[in-house]
Amino acid sequence: DGGITQSPKYLFRKEGQNVTLSCEQNLNHDAMYWYRQDPGQGLRLIYYSQIVNDFQKGDIAEGYSVSREKKESFPLTVTSAQKNPTAFYLCASSTLGLARLADSTDTQYFGPGTRLTVL
Amino acid sequence: KNQVEQSPQSLIILEGKNCTLQCNYTVSPFSNLRWYKQDTGRGPVSLTIMTFSENTKSNGRYTATLDADTKQSSLHITASQLSDSASYICVVSGTGTYKYIFGTGTRLKVLA
Repeated sequence: DGGITQSPKYLFRKEGQNVTLSCEQNLNHDAMYWYRQDPGQGLRLIYYSQIVNDFQKGDIAEGYSVSREKKESFPLTVTSAQKNPTAFYLCASSTLGLARLADSTDTQYFGPGTRLTVL
Repeated sequence: KNQVEQSPQSLIILEGKNCTLQCNYTVSPFSNLRWYKQDTGRGPVSLTIMTFSENTKSNGRYTATLDADTKQSSLHITASQLSDSASYICVVSGTGTYKYIFGTGTRLKVLA
């Protein structure tokens, strides 16, 4: 998993709760990403950050929030506004930001994932 | 609409056999195509990256091919092993689109 850690591995959320998923990387990458993976669907981008103190919404940002106070850390909060949060959440990082990554042969490195279940 | 479709959805083969996974895309203009391997309950790991000018790339027993004219790619696995059991994901990006488009993946199971 290339120097990216995610915690916890499993997380259970009650209705109306906010929960925070941790993502830490020691690869000295500037860019970090959060994806959601559901059965039968491709990974969908929630948020990404190209530099400390800056982040951008992805395709499915509603009901989620992030922060990027340190280069190494990019936590994701799943808020009570996210009506269907049960999914597998993957954090990733790369040297280049998304704009340049798509046009390059740079690679995204993924963490081991967090499986979130709503009780 | 930019799309990436993979086939088959799932595949079961016997250990030692070869197999080929398909990826068709409509992303345009095309920049590059990546194949990832994802073990169950883990994050994806990069296998190959191919640009427009490349039509084949190997990584051990994994060989990816790309036909940019027909917008098709395949991942061929030779002499499969039990450890090849995983999902294989095709990711296509387009020049200037700033997006990665992930396919839904092919789930491969290798039986002893």
